[in-house]
Amino acid sequence: QKEVEQNSGPLSVPEGAIASLNCTYSDRGSQSFFWYRQYSGKSPELIMSIYSNGDKEDGRFTAQLNKASQYVSLLIRDSQPSDSATYLCAVNEGSNYQLIWGAGTKLIIKP
Amino acid sequence: SAVISQKPSRDICQRGTSLTIQCQVDSQVTMMFWYRQQPGQSLTLIATANQGSEATYESGFVIDKFPISRPNLTFSTLTVSNMSPEDSSIYLCSVEESLGGEKLFFGSGTQLSVL
Repeated sequence: QKEVEQNSGPLSVPEGAIASLNCTYSDRGSQSFFWYRQYSGKSPELIMSIYSNGDKEDGRFTAQLNKASQYVSLLIRDSQPSDSATYLCAVNEGSNYQLIWGAGTKLIIKP
Repeated sequence: SAVISQKPSRDICQRGTSLTIQCQVDSQVTMMFWYRQQPGQSLTLIATANQGSEATYESGFVIDKFPISRPNLTFSTLTVSNMSPEDSSIYLCSVEESLGGEKLFFGSGTQLSVL
């Protein structure tokens, strides 16, 4: 069974520090990887996508992908209290457009 | 990205009744997806709705319980039938868009509580 694993947290990070969120996946054939942010009571919001090994940067966010280790991470630099949310990792194996979702990591940024 | 409007945003329903959730997109999309998110849990795909064909349901979900309509390329409905407290969840519609790769975007969700 295809799985996506995330530490449920909560992960507590001081304001201004780097928050590091991790995700592992079981299907080696996976091709597309996504990070969604979900505030309490709101719907998920796409913040990053990554398709090839290495780093992809967008503002304060960096996604890192290592297909050999089946590992994808999200770094948030200069963390702000507004970054406090649950971060969902989603993986698409590529055969059809269906995502496998992790359970999410709750991130708390402490002022 | 497309603007996805979902309604109602929340509802409180009695056991045994049915609720229809509407999802309207401001552009034509081929595939629409309906998800459920139970309290404290991640997302579970209920079904995929393509215009002009029967919805495709995931394991554990059946058409009698969750009938779906997809009359055109901008609209879909999901009905939660014969509700029980176990159906209390957030229901989300989503669409796939090609923006430098296929990506999934969500409506604002429907918070359903069944008493």
